[in-house]
Amino acid sequence: DTGVSQNPRHKITKRGQNVTFRCDPISEHNRLYWYRQTLGQGPEFLTYFQNEAQLEKSRLLSDRFSAERPKGSFSTLEIQRTEQGDSAMYLCASSLSAGFYTGELFFGEGSRLTVL
Amino acid sequence: EDKVVQSPLSLVVHEGDTVTLNCSYEVTNFRSLLWYKQEKKAPTFLFMLTSSGIEKKSGRLSSILDKKELFSILNITATQTGDSAVYLCAVDNAGGTSYGKLTFGQGTILTVHP
Repeated sequence: DTGVSQNPRHKITKRGQNVTFRCDPISEHNRLYWYRQTLGQGPEFLTYFQNEAQLEKSRLLSDRFSAERPKGSFSTLEIQRTEQGDSAMYLCASSLSAGFYTGELFFGEGSRLTVL
Repeated sequence: EDKVVQSPLSLVVHEGDTVTLNCSYEVTNFRSLLWYKQEKKAPTFLFMLTSSGIEKKSGRLSSILDKKELFSILNITATQTGDSAVYLCAVDNAGGTSYGKLTFGQGTILTVHP
């Protein structure tokens, strides 16, 4: 499978614990995005990378959230001191770079987080 | 604040019906409008629209953008049960090279009965 891969697919944790999600984008894509989706809502932008550089982070994103993309390949999204409001589906997407962008983001199937 | 509003929020039809989904937007720095289909988990791309009045078509699906009135419609003709999904409208509202930073609407849930 050469699509966007996310792990774990499901995570249940207790409030206050830290969690980390991993995203492996399509190999030739140098743009990588993180979105969050809650039930009944559309995805909400969190952050994005061009290669290893994090170019933008949503101002709505708490300092408890951090994302990395070492070496410009896979990315991790860490949430520290989780709260019940963090419960959501975390979607990763990748795309081609500027000159080849068609509007198509390729989404992974998401990592569902439940905070008890 | 940038805003994308879709209507209706849900729609139930029978196979063979034609449906029209609506999307209106208010964004400060419009680049393009996109439609995605979300069946279970991962949204999948349908169309990107950048110019008014030019219809994009793929099989039974078509879409058009009106940049003056700030809305778009997605039409599905001769619906099939496989069209049942959430249809998401999004606007790429980033300036410079920050494309892909999308503001999504809440989606329209389409249910097609046999």
